[in-house]
Amino acid sequence: RKEVEQDPGPFNVPEGATVAFNCTYSNSASQSFFWYRQDCRKEPKLLMSVYSSGNEDGRFTAQLNRASQYISLLIRDSKLSDSATYLCVVNLPSGNTPLVFGKGTRLSVIA
Amino acid sequence: GAVVSQHPSRVICKSGTSVKIECRSLDFQATTMFWYRQFPKQSLMLMATSNEGSKATYEQGVEKDKFLINHASLTLSTLTVTSAHPEDSSFYICSARDGLAQNTGELFFGEGSRLTVL
Repeated sequence: RKEVEQDPGPFNVPEGATVAFNCTYSNSASQSFFWYRQDCRKEPKLLMSVYSSGNEDGRFTAQLNRASQYISLLIRDSKLSDSATYLCVVNLPSGNTPLVFGKGTRLSVIA
Repeated sequence: GAVVSQHPSRVICKSGTSVKIECRSLDFQATTMFWYRQFPKQSLMLMATSNEGSKATYEQGVEKDKFLINHASLTLSTLTVTSAHPEDSSFYICSARDGLAQNTGELFFGEGSRLTVL
């Protein structure tokens, strides 16, 4: 089983749509969770951290379910500029460890 | 946020030559830097962890003699692809975490280096 698995995508949605991405992770001891955004041929950039209580940043809502080892990202009122690949990322416990990336889910928002 | 600079952003070389990629943390000290590689439509795969003043730690399947890593200072790590071959063509990305915030999780990435080996 892969450490981090995501919806395969691609997701093609019209402007204004709501879209949700799901992600599961295998290491139950994982401590930190993130969604990164990666534009084509660019480096990944942090979109938002994911907290146990769930958190919202404008049109973006992230949820974490530790019992199910499941993370989600909801994007409301999609914009053309949201088109990118969204990476589910997990930080292993303790120490200065690297992040583990999912394969990513590609989103295309269409006018 | 913290800034990581990577150079060159794009390089084309002939098969058999060596290519050096530099990764610098501009406004923070990074005792550890991470080197990732990303093939088209694939996820970022960790190649090695670069430790300042000591040997790098390589992931399984990554040849340490082919991918030489040097982390001589707290702000600079280099990756040298030796005797490059077409299958080494990829997007190489370095990343670092502010040493004062090791457990916050966020990594700062360089802009990436796209290597094409002819």
